[in-house]
Amino acid sequence: AQSVAQPEDQVNVAEGNPLTVKCTYSVSGNPYLFWYVQYPNRGLQFLLKYITGDNLVKGSYGFEAEFNKSQTSFHLKKPSALVSDSALYFCAVRDISNYQLIWGAGTKLIIKP
Amino acid sequence: GAGVSQTPSNKVTEKGKYVELRCDPISGHTALYWYRQSLGQGPEFLIYFQGTGAADDSGLPNDRFFAVRPEGSVSTLKIQRTERGDSAVYLCASSLAGTSDIQYFGAGTRLSVL
Repeated sequence: AQSVAQPEDQVNVAEGNPLTVKCTYSVSGNPYLFWYVQYPNRGLQFLLKYITGDNLVKGSYGFEAEFNKSQTSFHLKKPSALVSDSALYFCAVRDISNYQLIWGAGTKLIIKP
Repeated sequence: GAGVSQTPSNKVTEKGKYVELRCDPISGHTALYWYRQSLGQGPEFLIYFQGTGAADDSGLPNDRFFAVRPEGSVSTLKIQRTERGDSAVYLCASSLAGTSDIQYFGAGTRLSVL
């Protein structure tokens, strides 16, 4: 069965420091991997995706993620955090054999000035 | 252009009542998805439409839930005999097509069953 794990409920980072939000997954075949961000009272916004190719994927707002097949991970990163990055971040995976996105429980990112 | 629109943004109903939640996808998007999100959790897949047909409804929790997309654009999620456990945010997303395409989400409908 497909699954996504986000092991941290909350991540606290000082502004200007690098940030990492962790995600591991389990799928039966080749995965399609996504990161979304959710601000209060707003819809989920797409950040980036990995389909194939280069393991380092760059996305919106300076975020990037690294696909690691051997560790089945897709951690979200940013070199220098902004206070405005504070939000709820979701990792999602899709098996190429179907259209369902399977989501992690989310990680609350708090960036302190 | 306009994004995915969901109405109403909030719906309060009484246990046992019938509700309809509407989703207006991005123009030209053939794929449409419904998810349910409970507090502190990620979205949970309910149903996927490709055009007018439900290609995958395996996530619908029981036969009280039903969704339609008669003209391949607007979709309505229908919940009969609502229960308190149905309270959640119902999210709609649309995409061009294909498994690698980005899903674009609406702001959701917050359903509260009293």
